[in-house]
Amino acid sequence: AQSVAQPEDQVNVAEGNPLTVKCTYSVSGNPYLFWYVQYPNRGLQFLLKYITGDNLVKGSYGFEAEFNKSQTSFHLKKPSALVSDSALYFCAVRERGSSNTGKLIFGQGTTLQVKP
Amino acid sequence: NAGVTQTPKFQVLKTGQSMTLQCAQDMNHEYMSWYRQDPGMGLRLIHYSVGAGITDQGEVPNGYNVSRSTTEDFPLRLLSAAPSQTSVYFCASSYSQTYEQYFGPGTRLTVT
Repeated sequence: AQSVAQPEDQVNVAEGNPLTVKCTYSVSGNPYLFWYVQYPNRGLQFLLKYITGDNLVKGSYGFEAEFNKSQTSFHLKKPSALVSDSALYFCAVRERGSSNTGKLIFGQGTTLQVKP
Repeated sequence: NAGVTQTPKFQVLKTGQSMTLQCAQDMNHEYMSWYRQDPGMGLRLIHYSVGAGITDQGEVPNGYNVSRSTTEDFPLRLLSAAPSQTSVYFCASSYSQTYEQYFGPGTRLTVT
């Protein structure tokens, strides 16, 4: 069964420092990979995705993510954190191929706290 | 475009009552999904649809029904509400499996 793991419930970082939010997955084949962000009392917003091609994907608000096939990871990164980046971040995976095309499986989420 | 809309925003039900959570999108997306969000558990897929007339079960389908008679609408029905269904429910849609999902604002449901 496909699964997504975000090993850290919370990540704390000082403003201006780089940040990493980790994600690993267990899916057969080469999946589609996504990152979403959720601000309090809001729905999820799309940040970035990996479909194919360059392993380093750039997304919204200065975020980027690195796809590592051998480690089955898709870690979210940002060179310089802002206090406004504080939110709940979700990694998600969708199997590639004709079956299960509608299923997007989410990790449990990581709370990012950026302190001034 | 209004995007993905959900009604109601809040709902309180008594155990055993039934209700329908409404979801609509105006982006002509084929893919639509329902998720529930519970603390520490992320989002779990309830049901999804890859087009009008086609639905399938997700991770946690028990106690919920869906139908997709039009491209725009994807209602979620709670047949007999239970306290375990207290959660925040999100509807989402996307153009295809390679595209990102757009989420509605959510419905916060409490079952007493």
